[in-house]
Amino acid sequence: AQSVTQLDSQVPVFEEAPVELRCNYSSSVSVYLFWYVQYPNQGLQLLLKYLSGSTLVKGINGFEAEFNKSQTSFHLRKPSVHISDTAEYFCAASLSGGYNKLIFGAGTRLAVHP
Amino acid sequence: GAVVSQHPSWVICKSGTSVKIECRSLDFQATTMFWYRQFPKQSLMLMATSNEGSKATYEQGVEKDKFLINHASLTLSTLTVTSAHPEDSSFYICSALGRRSTDTQYFGPGTRLTVL
Repeated sequence: AQSVTQLDSQVPVFEEAPVELRCNYSSSVSVYLFWYVQYPNQGLQLLLKYLSGSTLVKGINGFEAEFNKSQTSFHLRKPSVHISDTAEYFCAASLSGGYNKLIFGAGTRLAVHP
Repeated sequence: GAVVSQHPSWVICKSGTSVKIECRSLDFQATTMFWYRQFPKQSLMLMATSNEGSKATYEQGVEKDKFLINHASLTLSTLTVTSAHPEDSSFYICSALGRRSTDTQYFGPGTRLTVL
């Protein structure tokens, strides 16, 4: 069975500092991986996705993530965060090869402090 | 592109009444739409998958007679919470898969339902 684990429920960080939000997945078959961001009282916005090809994926708002098959990880990084990055971040996975259900991690609350 | 809207954005209703929430794909045709429920400070829980022109597929534990889903066109899916009770209060989010791109779900802004 598929599962997605976000290791940190909350990540506090100061403005302009780098940040890494961790995500691990478990699956015996190929998967697609996604990072979504959710601002308060809003839906989810796609940050980036890995389907195939280059393992380093660049997304919106300066975020990037690296797919590591051997470690079954897809950690999200940003070299310098802003106050406006404060939000909930969800990692998600689906089986590759067309449509399949998304499995979400529990979410990580990123709190950027001045 | 890939914009999904929901209406209403928030609704308050009395216990026992029914509430309809609309999910629209504004700039693409969505063959498949999904309905999620999110409790405070928790992740999204998939409730059901709806395909245009066919019956929705509900996840285990979700009452199909209570959460009626209709996907009558390629741009509109509706979720009706029937005989709502306070425990149905939640944040409901829909998402859609495009006809051409079936690998990525695009999410609506969500609907906050409060049942008094």
